[in-house]
Amino acid sequence: EDQVTQSPEALRLQEGESSSLNCSYTVSGLRGLFWYRQDPGKGPEFLFTLYSAGEEKEKERLKATLTKKESFLHITAPKPEDSATYLCAVRKGAAGSGNTGKLIFGQGTTLQVKP
Amino acid sequence: DTGVSQNPRHKITKRGQNVTFRCDPISEHNRLYWYRQTLGQGPEFLTYFQNEAQLEKSRLLSDRFSAERPKGSFSTLEIQRTEQGDSAMYLCASSINRGQGPEAFFGQGTRLTVV
Repeated sequence: EDQVTQSPEALRLQEGESSSLNCSYTVSGLRGLFWYRQDPGKGPEFLFTLYSAGEEKEKERLKATLTKKESFLHITAPKPEDSATYLCAVRKGAAGSGNTGKLIFGQGTTLQVKP
Repeated sequence: DTGVSQNPRHKITKRGQNVTFRCDPISEHNRLYWYRQTLGQGPEFLTYFQNEAQLEKSRLLSDRFSAERPKGSFSTLEIQRTEQGDSAMYLCASSINRGQGPEAFFGQGTRLTVV
């Protein structure tokens, strides 16, 4: 069964204290792993897409990496404004198979950064 | 406005009433998705449109739920005879069918409360 599991469920950091969020997945025919940020009461905001093991992407204090079984979202020197829920999602299916592009999400990691 | 727009943002309804939500995707996006998100969970896929055709529906989408996308533009999601278990955030996302499969962009969601 396709599954996405994120850990930890919640993370509290002091401003400037770097850490990593984990997303482990089991899915047949991965066609992309996505990271989104979600603020309370709002829709998910796209951050990164990773397609193959070894790929890395960066944006400001965030860096996403991908292996064959998991992805990490590294947060370097976080600030209070980085507080949010971070969602990981996978898209499955092979090209030309009629893949709809639907995403399978994990339950999210809620990050709180204290000043 | 270049983002996905959803209306209304909030809806409170009595059990047994019908409700309808609207989603206006990013203009050039031909793929449109509906997801449902409950507190503390990641979004769950409900249904997918490519242009005006509804190509996939989740088992989560009971007979009381119906979605349309006339002329391949905006979409509506209707819930008939609402139940308390329908209380959730309903999210719409859109993407364009191109290349490796691009990211989906989400709207701000419609928060439904059934009392």
